[in-house]
Amino acid sequence: AQSVTQLGSHVSVSEGALVLLRCNYSSSVPPYLFWYVQYPNQGLQLLLKYTSAATLVKGINGFEAEFKKSETSFHLTKPSAHMSDAAEYFCAVRDYGGSQGNLIFGKGTKLSVKP
Amino acid sequence: DVKVTQSSRYLVKRTGEKVFLECVQDMDHENMFWYRQDPGLGLRLIYFSYDVKMKEKGDIPEGYSVSREKKERFSLILESASTNQTSMYLCASSSITDRGAFFGQGTRLTVV
Repeated sequence: AQSVTQLGSHVSVSEGALVLLRCNYSSSVPPYLFWYVQYPNQGLQLLLKYTSAATLVKGINGFEAEFKKSETSFHLTKPSAHMSDAAEYFCAVRDYGGSQGNLIFGKGTKLSVKP
Repeated sequence: DVKVTQSSRYLVKRTGEKVFLECVQDMDHENMFWYRQDPGLGLRLIYFSYDVKMKEKGDIPEGYSVSREKKERFSLILESASTNQTSMYLCASSSITDRGAFFGQGTRLTVV
């Protein structure tokens, strides 16, 4: 069965600093991995996805993530944080069990950006 | 632009009421999902549907039912609302070819 672990429920960075949000996955098959962002009282918006093509995936809003099979990781990074990046971020892996197309989510990491 | 629309952003209902949450997608997606989101617990799958009139239980189906009479519409039903069903409910859809899912804006339900 697939699973996702996000390390750190809260991360705080200064504006202009590097953003690093950690995600480790467990999967017995080549995984499809995703990062979503959620702004307060909104739904989830897809940031980027890994589907076994390039291991470095670029997404929207300057975010990118690198798939590292040896470390079973898919960490999200952004070189320079902006105030508008403050939100909750979810890592997800596609479920290969009974539910077609379902995503299994981590518990989320809330990102705060200090001025 | 892809769109998943949930009928209400905020709802307040009384204990014991029957509650309907509606979700419509305009992307002709085969798969539709209902999740609930609670602080510290992330998103948990309630039910999903991979075709009209087809439904499967997710991780936490107790107290809920669903209906999918048309491809674009997926309804979540709380048969008898209880206070522990106070939560954010998120609808999503995906195609069988795409690997990701598109989400609605969410419905924040409060049961009093």
